[in-house]
Amino acid sequence: KAGVTQTPRYLIKTRGQQVTLSCSPISGHRSVSWYQQTPGQGLQFLFEYFSETQRNKGNFPGRFSGRQFSNSRSEMNVSTLELGDSALYLCASSLGGKVYEQYFGPGTRLTVT
Amino acid sequence: AQKVTQAQTEISVVEKEDVTLDCVYETRDTTYYLFWYKQPPSGELVFLIRRNSFDEQNEISGRYSWNFQKSTSSFNFTITASQVVDSAVYFCALSSGNTPLVFGKGTRLSVIA
Repeated sequence: KAGVTQTPRYLIKTRGQQVTLSCSPISGHRSVSWYQQTPGQGLQFLFEYFSETQRNKGNFPGRFSGRQFSNSRSEMNVSTLELGDSALYLCASSLGGKVYEQYFGPGTRLTVT
Repeated sequence: AQKVTQAQTEISVVEKEDVTLDCVYETRDTTYYLFWYKQPPSGELVFLIRRNSFDEQNEISGRYSWNFQKSTSSFNFTITASQVVDSAVYFCALSSGNTPLVFGKGTRLSVIA
């Protein structure tokens, strides 16, 4: 069974631009969660989608948004990029949304210049 | 609020030494789950173990062992006879099951040959 895939793996953007990251969960998994990892703040939860509905949301500004499609693939979007958005963005999928069965993808490393 | 503290930021050991990574957690929930993840330089979070709050049995898996003590709110991780391949950042995390993972800041382990 294929694992969680994230595209692109690396991305360089300029401050003020917007970016869209993609996450394809393990086949059959209906929940996708997104996490941001920075050296200063560590790993922080962004949001979780389950069956196309946002179920949980972390403490991030409205510039961070996401969505989930009917095939469970998820995208997250960051608008008006800031230097502080440079981070590793990890997504995790699970079958029914329980965190104890989450599987993480390899991450997308975003650099904002 | 839930919180995970990994007091050791960096640890350096010589190959074949034993090393213990500390994890202290805070939660008001009676049902919760504790996790350890390994993050190699590639960035992907690799699941190592999950333990629920009702199971205080220690666990051993090869060179890895975990000591869960509710009385001290600790969930420590020991690597016996460390190897260079164990070099990574290790994260302890906590969840109530339906809530997102709350991660500690991580401990960077360097195993020197």
